[in-house]
Amino acid sequence: NAGVMQNPRHLVRRRGQEARLRCSPMKGHSHVYWYRQLPEEGLKFMVYLQKENIIDESGMPKERFSAEFPKEGPSILRIQQVVRGDSAAYFCASAGQANTGELFFGEGSRLTVL
Amino acid sequence: AQSVTQPDIHITVSEGASLELRCNYSYGATPYLFWYVQSPGQGLQLLLKYFSGDTLVQGIKGFEAEFKRSQSSFNLRKPSVHWSDAAEYFCAVGKTSYDKVIFGPGTSLSVIP
Repeated sequence: NAGVMQNPRHLVRRRGQEARLRCSPMKGHSHVYWYRQLPEEGLKFMVYLQKENIIDESGMPKERFSAEFPKEGPSILRIQQVVRGDSAAYFCASAGQANTGELFFGEGSRLTVL
Repeated sequence: AQSVTQPDIHITVSEGASLELRCNYSYGATPYLFWYVQSPGQGLQLLLKYFSGDTLVQGIKGFEAEFKRSQSSFNLRKPSVHWSDAAEYFCAVGKTSYDKVIFGPGTSLSVIP
């Protein structure tokens, strides 16, 4: 009964490198949400995806950030040319078809940019 | 636009004491309201939610929350706090059950033995 799986749990990158964060939703879930949490702050919405579609990307920075949720495989949040300000915990959450409104969260991927 | 405020950044209570965490939201219609809890280094877990109906909702771990439309509030309560309740608590609001959920800044709860 696997929950939402995120990997890597910890990622260290140097400025200018690329970061790829993966999220496998709970079995049977087709809705994925990405959030960013900065130290001492709450969660900021980034993007909402369904299989092969971006539904809402209003919280995603216009440059360097992209997300996908392919028909097969995990959802991926990609950050190109990382900067120190990208250091944060990135959480993925999934929701199923039952329309309960509950989001199931992964344990997060903590990105450190040196 | 939806928004959520949690006026208390940090609260300390003694074990066995009662607890109330405040939450105010801004949204034009009746929102979907949630309380989530986050333990250090972990993801978030849903404590309870309100969509419609009875304005007093019961959740897991002995928590309850009351929706007050006139005050735009959704405060979380627990009659007797346990040391294991020490965590970060987030109030959140959504427009529909699938819409993005907007989180408040969180309230950090410390419990004194």
